[in-house]
Amino acid sequence: DVKVTQSSRYLVKRTGEKVFLECVQDMDHENMFWYRQDPGLGLRLIYFSYDVKMKEKGDIPEGYSVSREKKERFSLILESASTNQTSMYLCASSLGGSGRRGEQFFGPGTRLTVL
Amino acid sequence: AQKITQTQPGMFVQEKEAVTLDCTYDTSDPSYGLFWYKQPSSGEMIFLIYQGSYDQQNATEGRYSLNFQKARKSANLVISASQLGDSAMYFCAMREENAGNNRKLIWGLGTSLAVNP
Repeated sequence: DVKVTQSSRYLVKRTGEKVFLECVQDMDHENMFWYRQDPGLGLRLIYFSYDVKMKEKGDIPEGYSVSREKKERFSLILESASTNQTSMYLCASSLGGSGRRGEQFFGPGTRLTVL
Repeated sequence: AQKITQTQPGMFVQEKEAVTLDCTYDTSDPSYGLFWYKQPSSGEMIFLIYQGSYDQQNATEGRYSLNFQKARKSANLVISASQLGDSAMYFCAMREENAGNNRKLIWGLGTSLAVNP
């Protein structure tokens, strides 16, 4: 079974702090994704990566950066956390290729609160 | 414009009955895939079922089936014999195979399903 793990289930940070959210997958997946999920807004893609050191902006990249130094690990960084970044953050990975290989496997999520 | 539309924000169903969750999509790509995911209150997204645009038959996975009507651009999820554990948010998503970036999934806003005992 594919396993995607996230470093924390719950996180509380102060405004202005630098925040790191870590995601690790154990199935040698090519693609990794970071989403945020807010009530009524569904899943919104922040960034994704299709290879080590490669990244692309998603729909809402402002205020975030990412790092992928190893294939299995994808980090989301909030350079200076703000209260409007309080949200549920979901990490996902996918194998790459067409059809069913586009299935994304998700981690348990990190609920971040910025005070 | 919304590419994935889930028109039912909330649904109720009696235990053991069948329920249909609607999903319509919009694409000009002839090659695409449709995914359904379940998100219980715990938060983790769970893959349920996949339908490719060229698949001849409707997909089925246990109690889940996909009513795929290509001409109408709809991919409704049917859950048979509902169980209390089916209470969750359900998301429909699409991948356009020929899109400039075909690694992404395009997501609907979800339908909240409550199963009543």
